[in-house]
Amino acid sequence: DAGITQSPRHKVTETGTPVTLRCHQTENHRYMYWYRQDPGHGLRLIHYSYGVKDTDKGEVSDGYSVSRSKTEDFLLTLESATSSQTSVYFCAISDLGPTMNTEAFFGQGTRLTVV
Amino acid sequence: AQSVSQHNHHVILSEAASLELGCNYSYGGTVNLFWYVQYPGQHLQLLLKYFSGDPLVKGIKGFEAEFIKSKFSFNLRKPSVQWSDTAEYFCAVNTGFQKLVFGTGTRLLVSP
Repeated sequence: DAGITQSPRHKVTETGTPVTLRCHQTENHRYMYWYRQDPGHGLRLIHYSYGVKDTDKGEVSDGYSVSRSKTEDFLLTLESATSSQTSVYFCAISDLGPTMNTEAFFGQGTRLTVV
Repeated sequence: AQSVSQHNHHVILSEAASLELGCNYSYGGTVNLFWYVQYPGQHLQLLLKYFSGDPLVKGIKGFEAEFIKSKFSFNLRKPSVQWSDTAEYFCAVNTGFQKLVFGTGTRLLVSP
């Protein structure tokens, strides 16, 4: 398995509180992603990063912010958690190989419950 | 923006039956295509991928997929499923900007 660690693995938080999820990689991959997984919706891209301090929005970015100050860490922050953000969050990493094509590797996921 | 459609949300098969899961994408340019599998309680793992060349791609565990450019499709197949194939399957598209977009997934249940 690729060296991807998500923390925490489980979290319960109250509505209105800020929450930060961390993704740490040891592969030195350039690209990092945050997805949320919900029944019936598959995986939806929240934000992704194509380098240190370089990030872009995905399809469901409202209410989320990200930061990448080091290659190995990609933080996802819920600025003011809402019940609709209860979900399983996956981090993924990828890089450009010799053929300029690549696949993504996934972390174990973080189960977040907002009560 | 690219999008991915998986029309089969739930599929139930008996062991030894053949499997075909549909995947269609919307993007007019060059694409990289993937099928990922998620076993219960686990993270996503790559089954197979298409970048270029032979449109019939073989992956792990006896799975294969065929890229049909004219139909914007990348259907997943397996001639004979096993109980251990029970999982959720996701099709994904990368248009080259490294923005990987997934379909909504297909839950496969294989009964022994």
